Amino acid sequence: KAGVTQTPRYLIKTRGQQVTLSCSPISGHRSVSWYQQTPGQGLQFLFEYFSETQRNKGNFPGRFSGRQFSNSRSEMNVSTLELGDSALYLCASSLEGQGVTNEKLFFGSGTQLSVL
Amino acid sequence: SQQGEEDPQALSIQEGENATMNCSYKTSINNLQWYRQNSGRGLVHLILIRSNEREKHSGRLRVTLDTSKKSSSLLITASRAADTASYFCATDLSGSARQLTFGSGTQLTVLP
Repeated sequence: KAGVTQTPRYLIKTRGQQVTLSCSPISGHRSVSWYQQTPGQGLQFLFEYFSETQRNKGNFPGRFSGRQFSNSRSEMNVSTLELGDSALYLCASSLEGQGVTNEKLFFGSGTQLSVL
Repeated sequence: SQQGEEDPQALSIQEGENATMNCSYKTSINNLQWYRQNSGRGLVHLILIRSNEREKHSGRLRVTLDTSKKSSSLLITASRAADTASYFCATDLSGSARQLTFGSGTQLTVLP
């Protein structure tokens, strides 16, 4: 089974621009979560999607948004980029549904975003 | 901000030695997980321990959980150079299994 795939791997943007990151979960996984990792704040939860619905949201401004498609693939968008948005953005999928709940998260390799 | 604290922040040991990392958290949990991250890459799940368990083993890993002290420890026995990585504890403080709160991490360096 292929793992969680995140694209692109690296991204360089300038302040004020917007960016879209993509995540393809493991086949059969319907829950997709996003995390931001920075040296200062560590790993922080952004949001989680299940069956195309946002189920949980972390404490991030509205500039951070996401969505999930019917095939469970997910995208996150950051508008009006700020220098502080430079981070490694990690996507994780997990198995849930049909009577199965698995708390274990499977992470992608991340998208390293640099805002100049 | 981080809800969990890990110590030490950095640990350097020789191959073959044991490595112990500690994690503390602040509120009640359903379970606690440990993840490993190689530099700049994604996290890999190592082990999960539920709040009603006190100890769990997986290969060279041993995890303990003390809910009265709100703390956990991860022991890696007979460490190898390939164990060099950052190790994070994660808890479901929010009550949602998918919304994990990660500790600040321990950077482990195993010297050959």
